[in-house]
Amino acid sequence: ILNVEQSPQSLHVQEGDSTNFTCSFPSSNFYALHWYRWETAKSPEALFVMTLNGDEKKKGRISATLNTKEGYSYLYIKGSQPEDSATYLCALVKTDKLIFGTGTRLQVFP
Amino acid sequence: EAGVVQSPRYKIIEKKQPVAFWCNPISGHNTLYWYRQNLGQGPELLIRYENEEAVDDSQLPKDRFSAERLKGVDSTLKIQPAELGDSAVYLCASSLDHPGGYTFGSGTRLTVV
Repeated sequence: ILNVEQSPQSLHVQEGDSTNFTCSFPSSNFYALHWYRWETAKSPEALFVMTLNGDEKKKGRISATLNTKEGYSYLYIKGSQPEDSATYLCALVKTDKLIFGTGTRLQVFP
Repeated sequence: EAGVVQSPRYKIIEKKQPVAFWCNPISGHNTLYWYRQNLGQGPELLIRYENEEAVDDSQLPKDRFSAERLKGVDSTLKIQPAELGDSAVYLCASSLDHPGGYTFGSGTRLTVV
């Protein structure tokens, strides 16, 4: 069984703070790693698809890195805003399904 | 283009009652998935369809869960009878092929009392 772990489980930050989360996994045998943002009562929204060791992706204030050799991916948010409040999920794409981590719940206070 | 549509958004039922969820994937997406997210955990795959064929239902509790995808488009997931432990968010997703880009619905939050 492949365990995908995320930390921290939850995070509370002030508006303007920068923050980062970790997704760790024991194996590099996967097609890709996905990051999703899931706001309450909405659909999980794809943020990044990462495939190669050393990948770095950026979308506005959010960026992510992937290290398949060490088995982790980081998601960074620069200058957090209240609208960034959501659960952030990482998932490994295996041959037949996504294997999700447990998520990091971010709350940004004004 | 409309995304993946799920209904209902919320459902509260008493234990031992039946319940059904519906999913309309993105037009042209051959692959459809049902995931279940229990509280405090990540979503887990219940069943994957390629067109109308269930190609992976190994995690579907077949004693009480059933699913169908008639004509390879819409899909329904049924629980009969529901148990307290079935309370969760049921997510539907679709993709053009596997492993391709996934698009998720907004989920159905089921509460069994």
